[in-house]
Amino acid sequence: GAVVSQHPSWVICKSGTSVKIECRSLDFQATTMFWYRQFPKQSLMLMATSNEGSKATYEQGVEKDKFLINHASLTLSTLTVTSAHPEDSSFYICSARTSEYNEQFFGPGTRLTVL
Amino acid sequence: GQNIDQPTEMTATEGAIVQINCTYQTSGFNGLFWYQQHAGEAPTFLSYNVLDGLEEKGRFSSFLSRSKGYSYLLLKELQMKDSASYLCAVTDSNYQLIWGAGTKLIIKP
Repeated sequence: GAVVSQHPSWVICKSGTSVKIECRSLDFQATTMFWYRQFPKQSLMLMATSNEGSKATYEQGVEKDKFLINHASLTLSTLTVTSAHPEDSSFYICSARTSEYNEQFFGPGTRLTVL
Repeated sequence: GQNIDQPTEMTATEGAIVQINCTYQTSGFNGLFWYQQHAGEAPTFLSYNVLDGLEEKGRFSSFLSRSKGYSYLLLKELQMKDSASYLCAVTDSNYQLIWGAGTKLIIKP
């Protein structure tokens, strides 16, 4: 099956610093990648959708200048949380989809803790 | 608006059968997914229905009725490891995934 990796799996950082999370599709080309955030005991919340070579489409309420998304290739997308604050602490999950299939394949997630 | 409804929490006994319902109202329909998510982990794919009827896969089955905007996930021979949240998600006309809030399933011995 299709495999999506995320790196790092967890990160702890100081308030005000920036954190980059990588999402890679290991054995397929992902035409579209999605970034989700999940707070404890809540469902997934879509942050943005990115197509390779295009600017990401952000959901309402998600600050595009704070959450920078780059989808430079068909196998890599990055999410950078700029000037992170404690309220940004969350579980960030990426998923990837090909043009052939409807299914999204999820990465294992990155747990971000901002002190 | 777009809406996915599923129960917040269900409890069942090990070895029994449980049915988790999901109703949806979306702008267009291009398939319904069920995902399993254990605490602290990312969701894992369980099933995909795009046509009416029942799809069986081992102990798990998923049913879809497009005319009723309704699906259920049926789990048989419940095991303790089945304790997890089960997420219903529908792909709308723009192929955007609309997520339900998830059903937390608690399995008791």
